[in-house]
Amino acid sequence: NAGVTQTPKFRILKIGQSMTLQCTQDMNHNYMYWYRQDPGMGLKLIYYSVGAGITDKGEVPNGYNVSRSTTEDFPLRLELAAPSQTSVYFCASSPGRGGLGEQFFGPGTRLTVL
Amino acid sequence: AQSVSQHNHHVILSEAASLELGCNYSYGGTVNLFWYVQYPGQHLQLLLKYFSGDPLVKGIKGFEAEFIKSKFSFNLRKPSVQWSDTAEYFCAVKGSQGNLIFGKGTKLSVKP
Repeated sequence: NAGVTQTPKFRILKIGQSMTLQCTQDMNHNYMYWYRQDPGMGLKLIYYSVGAGITDKGEVPNGYNVSRSTTEDFPLRLELAAPSQTSVYFCASSPGRGGLGEQFFGPGTRLTVL
Repeated sequence: AQSVSQHNHHVILSEAASLELGCNYSYGGTVNLFWYVQYPGQHLQLLLKYFSGDPLVKGIKGFEAEFIKSKFSFNLRKPSVQWSDTAEYFCAVKGSQGNLIFGKGTKLSVKP
């Protein structure tokens, strides 16, 4: 199993540009999550999904959108990039809320908005 | 809302010193607690987790944590640290949406 994979690893955007961060998991997990990590702030939940076709907002959803058309994929879309979105983005998956709750993380995408 | 507090922002130790990293959570009901580690440039990896039962939980690489319900604490310990333990450590509690609510993290630097 590859686990959770994310692309790209690094990206530099100009203000106002858009991009999609890709996330794929091969563990057949229902739950998937997007977090952003800022220095000294820990990880904050952006969006999550409990299964294909179902998504919901987390703590910091503004400026982002997600979709979940398959169990495996959970892309994160930035429509109008802003400097405040400079961060490291982690995707994670878990078997389900009622399970043991352990989440498996991808390697992250480091995004800089200039 | 649930929250997690980690007391130390940066801890510096010499090799073979003992480690204890503090973690307090806010929720008074049943909790699922985790410690994750992030080595430089890498993604988060699970060190250990607590769901129920024995409050002393043993994890990988010689780490352990003790769940003390009366103190709302889940401190991470290791009797003797190594240079390779240099990393950032995150305490987390499982949230109502199945997500993890993280503390701000503690950077550990171990001097050889």
